[in-house]
Amino acid sequence: GAVVSQHPSRVICKSGTSVKIECRSLDFQATTMFWYRQFPKQSLMLMATSNEGSKATYEQGVEKDKFLINHASLTLSTLTVTSAHPEDSSFYICSARPTGTKNEKLFFGSGTQLSVL
Amino acid sequence: QQQVKQSPQSLIVQKGGISIINCAYENTAFDYFPWYQQFPGKGPALLIAIRPDVSEKKEGRFTISFNKSAKQFSLHIMDSQPGDSATYFCAASRGGGTYKYIFGTGTRLKVLA
Repeated sequence: GAVVSQHPSRVICKSGTSVKIECRSLDFQATTMFWYRQFPKQSLMLMATSNEGSKATYEQGVEKDKFLINHASLTLSTLTVTSAHPEDSSFYICSARPTGTKNEKLFFGSGTQLSVL
Repeated sequence: QQQVKQSPQSLIVQKGGISIINCAYENTAFDYFPWYQQFPGKGPALLIAIRPDVSEKKEGRFTISFNKSAKQFSLHIMDSQPGDSATYFCAASRGGGTYKYIFGTGTRLKVLA
């Protein structure tokens, strides 16, 4: 159980285009999901906290207009990288926390490698 | 105060040996400490986690040792196998509903056959 599906696993796009990444909790509901960015051989950097039915909370230094987050249902959060540029190339990972528990376990998606040409 | 310091950065262990990775934190409000394993191009997978009210937790070949007074915790991988070769991250989170994780910098483990 507790599977988080992230799609696509890899995407290549041209500079200036927008890319949408989906994060789905397959067998549980998740009021809260998190989005991270990871550079090669580095740790995960939290970008934002996605809350179902409300606005996302962004970490300091993360541009909310560039990284649009939508959490319209209890099983789906999306991250849209708008007007992508080469410096946005990175590995993006989501995680989800099962709703209705005090359990602090987070389950992670398999990540999306974004390459902006 | 929000940092979690992890060491070593990389580790090479012979098959069958013990791999030990250490983490230290400063914020005493942290109350949940998970360890994650990540293979290249994949998301992290939860290995084992501990709370400050216990000093040790064991699950199979993986053991967490926790020293609350020193604000340190470590992961021990017994009988290390080549399949354990991956990057390991410790993390800490603070209760109170935020559930945000602060991750360590990661340790790249290589187990030689």
